[in-house]
Amino acid sequence: GQNIDQPTEMTATEGAIVQINCTYQTSGFNGLFWYQQHAGEAPTFLSYNVLDGLEEKGRFSSFLSRSKGYSYLLLKELQMKDSASYLCAVRANQAGTALIFGKGTTLSVSS
Amino acid sequence: DVKVTQSSRYLVKRTGEKVFLECVQDMDHENMFWYRQDPGLGLRLIYFSYDVKMKEKGDIPEGYSVSREKKERFSLILESASTNQTSMYLCASSFIVQGGTEAFFGQGTRLTVV
Repeated sequence: GQNIDQPTEMTATEGAIVQINCTYQTSGFNGLFWYQQHAGEAPTFLSYNVLDGLEEKGRFSSFLSRSKGYSYLLLKELQMKDSASYLCAVRANQAGTALIFGKGTTLSVSS
Repeated sequence: DVKVTQSSRYLVKRTGEKVFLECVQDMDHENMFWYRQDPGLGLRLIYFSYDVKMKEKGDIPEGYSVSREKKERFSLILESASTNQTSMYLCASSFIVQGGTEAFFGQGTRLTVV
């Protein structure tokens, strides 16, 4: 079967760093995606990893270890507007196959 | 600017009605998807399509069908709406490229079946 796990909720304070973990067990692997979703809005793309290592994009970074079936999203210099759900998704097979999503991690940033 | 547009933001339908949810994308994407999103369950794939007139079942296709007569349009059909189909429905599209192309989402349709 396909399984993607991430914590349900996390809290942090403005200016801090937070790491959201994601572990996956899928029939195949062709890329891992992170999306951000604010309440009542559509998910928006944050990052993509297909090879092991770290991808950095401004305040956000994403890491992948394929051998461990593990990824994390690192958010630095947290701002109130970062309060949102963060969705980990895996493309399990060849291109054209849909993304399989975890249940999402709701991050609350307080001042 | 990338655009995936869903025909309605909010819908209220009666049990037993046939319901059509429409999605249009203007990016010439081959792939189109329908997900539903429920609290505590995340996004679950209902159907997807990788070409005109082609469709594949996702994880929860029961009670739904789809239609893709044109590349830019992907319709989700609830044959006979039931209260357990009350949910947020999200359409998405993407290119078919090996590996890295992300999916773009529409704004969602919140459907309530009464």
